[in-house]
Amino acid sequence: GENVEQHPSTLSVQEGDSAVIKCTYSDSASNYFPWYKQELGKRPQLIIDIRSNVGEKKDQRIAVTLNKTAKHFSLHITETQPEDSAVYFCAARGRGSQGNLIFGKGTKLSVKP
Amino acid sequence: GAGVSQSPRYKVAKRGQDVALRCDPISGHVSLFWYQQALGQGPEFLTYFQNEAQLDKSGLPSDRFFAERPEGSVSTLKIQRTQQEDSAVYLCASSLVGTGNSPLHFGNGTRLTVT
Repeated sequence: GENVEQHPSTLSVQEGDSAVIKCTYSDSASNYFPWYKQELGKRPQLIIDIRSNVGEKKDQRIAVTLNKTAKHFSLHITETQPEDSAVYFCAARGRGSQGNLIFGKGTKLSVKP
Repeated sequence: GAGVSQSPRYKVAKRGQDVALRCDPISGHVSLFWYQQALGQGPEFLTYFQNEAQLDKSGLPSDRFFAERPEGSVSTLKIQRTQQEDSAVYLCASSLVGTGNSPLHFGNGTRLTVT
């Protein structure tokens, strides 16, 4: 089945700097890659997603890139703000999964003011 | 309308007790998923429903775990004879359809503590 690896596990940046989180997946047939933000004690919230027919997607300060050949995808946050501090999870939807997502272990992002 | 609703928000059970966790998905969402999230980890898949049919229960860790969605809307996750290793946050998610490009919307979860 699908396996998703995520790194780094923790990331600390200064306010205004960029943050990059990387994930790799194992199933070459996976076709959907969302990113979720989870604040302490709260639900995971979808922040951006990308499908396998697209190489890059951007939404204001957030962008995601996908390299299907290398089977990796990345989240880029520019001009980070303290409210970006949270745990970020990548996920992949595998072949025949009927919608189920396989998640990475998460990256704890700390943005220092 | 409202998002995915889960209850109770917190549950403390003594080892050996049975618990029932409820999930009310977004109205009209066909697919419903249960995930288990241990402290400091990503959500781990437990089971999946499409309407009232349980199509995948491969993630349920033991036969003490049972899920149902009898009318294709509200779902209940039941854990029998709880053990300490069952302590985790149980997340429910729903999506409009089960395949293709439909994103998952999560509830706030039920934090289960087994003492």
